[in-house]
Amino acid sequence: AQKVTQAQTEISVVEKEDVTLDCVYETRDTTYYLFWYKQPPSGELVFLIRRNSFDEQNEISGRYSWNFQKSTSSFNFTITASQVVDSAVYFCALNPKSAGNKLTFGGGTRVLVKP
Amino acid sequence: EADIYQTPRYLVIGTGKKITLECSQTMGHDKMYWYQQDPGMELHLIHYSYGVNSTEKGDLSSESTVSRIRTEHFPLTLESARPSHTSQYLCASSALTEEDADGYTFGSGTRLTVV
Repeated sequence: AQKVTQAQTEISVVEKEDVTLDCVYETRDTTYYLFWYKQPPSGELVFLIRRNSFDEQNEISGRYSWNFQKSTSSFNFTITASQVVDSAVYFCALNPKSAGNKLTFGGGTRVLVKP
Repeated sequence: EADIYQTPRYLVIGTGKKITLECSQTMGHDKMYWYQQDPGMELHLIHYSYGVNSTEKGDLSSESTVSRIRTEHFPLTLESARPSHTSQYLCASSALTEEDADGYTFGSGTRLTVV
């Protein structure tokens, strides 16, 4: 069975602060894919990043960065110099190869960035 | 511009009514999914399809049914709506291959309220 845990339910920061969202996953598969999605108040889920289990390189995209550590089964997401537009719910998701392309989502972390 | 469309965006309906939530995608994806999202944010897979005439139940038991008569169309039906069906329903699609780096593409969702 696979599981994704996002321990932080809600994080509140002031604009320009950095915020890190934790994601811990469980799977028995050696091949799997990890994702982060953003859900703004409008409701749709927006793809942010995909990482496969063989690629532990950290990634930076603008103010976003991701830290993938297989040793701790974690795939954390950091927003640097947060902005009000970053306010949203962020979901971490896992797709083990054996699951046939079905995503398992974490419970989500609501980020509130105050001006 | 969205390549996957869900209608209606919002629906308020009385108990006992039959409803169909529409989902269409223009990307030619073989795989399509329905997720139910609790008010508390968690996303649960309720139905999926790997192609025409293929439908399977997801991890969360649901009284809804789906059909896949055309590749681009994956409607969800509730024969008799109840207040417990109040939720947001998100439709998604993905390519069949593991090389689909963007993972799922999600629609904007249907917010269903049964009164």
